[in-house]
Amino acid sequence: DAGVIQSPRHEVTEMGQEVTLRCKPISGHDYLFWYRQTMMRGLELLIYFNNNVPIDDSGMPEDRFSAKMPNASFSTLKIQPSEPRDSAVYFCASSSSQTSGANVLTFGAGSRLTVL
Amino acid sequence: AQKVTQAQTEISVVEKEDVTLDCVYETRDTTYYLFWYKQPPSGELVFLIRRNSFDEQNEISGRYSWNFQKSTSSFNFTITASQVVDSAVYFCALSPISGGYNKLIFGAGTRLAVHP
Repeated sequence: DAGVIQSPRHEVTEMGQEVTLRCKPISGHDYLFWYRQTMMRGLELLIYFNNNVPIDDSGMPEDRFSAKMPNASFSTLKIQPSEPRDSAVYFCASSSSQTSGANVLTFGAGSRLTVL
Repeated sequence: AQKVTQAQTEISVVEKEDVTLDCVYETRDTTYYLFWYKQPPSGELVFLIRRNSFDEQNEISGRYSWNFQKSTSSFNFTITASQVVDSAVYFCALSPISGGYNKLIFGAGTRLAVHP
């Protein structure tokens, strides 16, 4: 299995621009998570999906952030408009409630976002 | 409240030394999972181990060992005969046990540098 695939790996954009981060989870996994990692706040859970349905988005910082999962093999995290304080590494992770357990997450390599 | 504390921000050792990474947790749940993840310089988080609160047996996997002590709410991680490839940030995490997914609470991480 190719693991969790994220794109782009690096994104540099200017304040006010729209940013879209993409994720392909491991095939067969029924949970998908978006995390954000910063030096100040560590790892924060933004949102997670179960069977493509958003379950908990309480970690989404504000309305500028949105996430979708149109099918079992694809998810996006969108920031519009972006701000410098959004600069962080964004991780996508997936897990299976049927095999290793919903809490055993496999992470992607991350998308490093820099907003100038 | 649930909390994971990794008091050691950074540890520096010379190759072949043994090193222990401390993890102390707080939870009101009677059943829970504890985890360790590794984040090497390449950036992705790699799952190392999951323990449930019913099982206090220590675990060994090659050069890695974990010491779970419920009485002191600790889940420490020891690397024996450290190698340069062990250099990474290590995260301890906590999650309650119930059906489906429950939010992983991550510690702030301990950065381990192993020098040749």
